[in-house]
Amino acid sequence: AQSVAQPEDQVNVAEGNPLTVKCTYSVSGNPYLFWYVQYPNRGLQFLLKYITGDNLVKGSYGFEAEFNKSQTSFHLKKPSALVSDSALYFCAVRDPYSSASKIIFGSGTRLSIRP
Amino acid sequence: EAQVTQNPRYLITVTGKKLTVTCSQNMNHEYMSWYRQDPGLGLRQIYYSMNVEVTDKGDVPEGYKVSRKEKRNFPLILESPSPNQTSLYFCASGPRSGANVLTFGAGSRLTVL
Repeated sequence: AQSVAQPEDQVNVAEGNPLTVKCTYSVSGNPYLFWYVQYPNRGLQFLLKYITGDNLVKGSYGFEAEFNKSQTSFHLKKPSALVSDSALYFCAVRDPYSSASKIIFGSGTRLSIRP
Repeated sequence: EAQVTQNPRYLITVTGKKLTVTCSQNMNHEYMSWYRQDPGLGLRQIYYSMNVEVTDKGDVPEGYKVSRKEKRNFPLILESPSPNQTSLYFCASGPRSGANVLTFGAGSRLTVL
């Protein structure tokens, strides 16, 4: 069965420092991987996705994520954090041979950027 | 603007009083889904629909009903709400296949007393 894990409930980073939000997955075959962000009182917004190709994927707001097949990870990164990046981040995974209904979300990581 | 619209955004109700949370999308998406978000549990899927008149259970369907009579609408029905259904609910839509990116509504916060 496919699954996704976000091992950290909260990540705290000083503004201007690099940030990493971790995600590991379990799925048969080559996965589709996604990151979504949720700002207060808002729905989830798509940040980036990995389907195939280059392991480093660039997305919105300066975020990027690196697909590592051997470690089954898809960590979200940003070189220089902004206070406005503070939000709840969700990793999601889907087996490409399954349907849209089989997208599985992680439990979320709250990112807090201090000035 | 492409969007998923949920109503109401906030609702306080009492045990047993039937309620409906509406969801509408304007992107002609085949796939629609309802999730509930609870602290520490992330997003859990309640029901989903792959197309008109096609619905199926997600991971936590108990106590909920849905219908998909039109492509754009996917209402969530709580026939007899209970306090354990107090939660934040999200509707999402997306293409049926491919590397589907989901578009989410803004959420509906439901409190059942």
